[in-house]
Amino acid sequence: KAGVTQTPRYLIKTRGQQVTLSCSPISGHRSVSWYQQTPGQGLQFLFEYFSETQRNKGNFPGRFSGRQFSNSRSEMNVSTLELGDSALYLCASSLAGDGYEQYFGPGTRLTVT
Amino acid sequence: AQSVAQPEDQVNVAEGNPLTVKCTYSVSGNPYLFWYVQYPNRGLQFLLKYITGDNLVKGSYGFEAEFNKSQTSFHLKKPSALVSDSALYFCAVRPRGDGSARQLTFGSGTQLTVLP
Repeated sequence: KAGVTQTPRYLIKTRGQQVTLSCSPISGHRSVSWYQQTPGQGLQFLFEYFSETQRNKGNFPGRFSGRQFSNSRSEMNVSTLELGDSALYLCASSLAGDGYEQYFGPGTRLTVT
Repeated sequence: AQSVAQPEDQVNVAEGNPLTVKCTYSVSGNPYLFWYVQYPNRGLQFLLKYITGDNLVKGSYGFEAEFNKSQTSFHLKKPSALVSDSALYFCAVRPRGDGSARQLTFGSGTQLTVLP
């Protein structure tokens, strides 16, 4: 079974631009979560989607948004990029239910200059 | 709100020796508990989880973890460390039940180095 895929793997953007990251979950997984990983803040939860609905949202500004499509694929968008948005963005998918483990993609490395 | 503490940023152990990576948590009720490992420039890989039942959970690559409810701890262990176990380890907790704020919360991570 194919794992979680994320595209693109690397991105360089300029302050003020916007960016869209894509995530394809494992087949059959309907829950998708997004995390931001930085050396200073560690792994921080962004949001979780299930069946096209946002179930949970982390403590990030409204510049960060996401959505999930009917095929469970998900996208996250960051508008008006700031230098501090430079990070590894990880997507994870799981079966429905909080007790199921999440399977992570390789991440998208975003650099904002 | 839930929180996870990994008190050691770095753990060094000699190959062949037992290893322990510590994790304590703060959450109401009985949570789901997880351990993940991250190799350089990779995403996280699931190692094991505690849902219910036996307090000693066995996982991938010979790792195990012991759930201690009274101490709210979930320490990761392995009887004999390998150099290839060197990586960044994350403990995570997820509350049970209904309501919001049930997301998976990660600890700050512990860098494990196994010395040959």
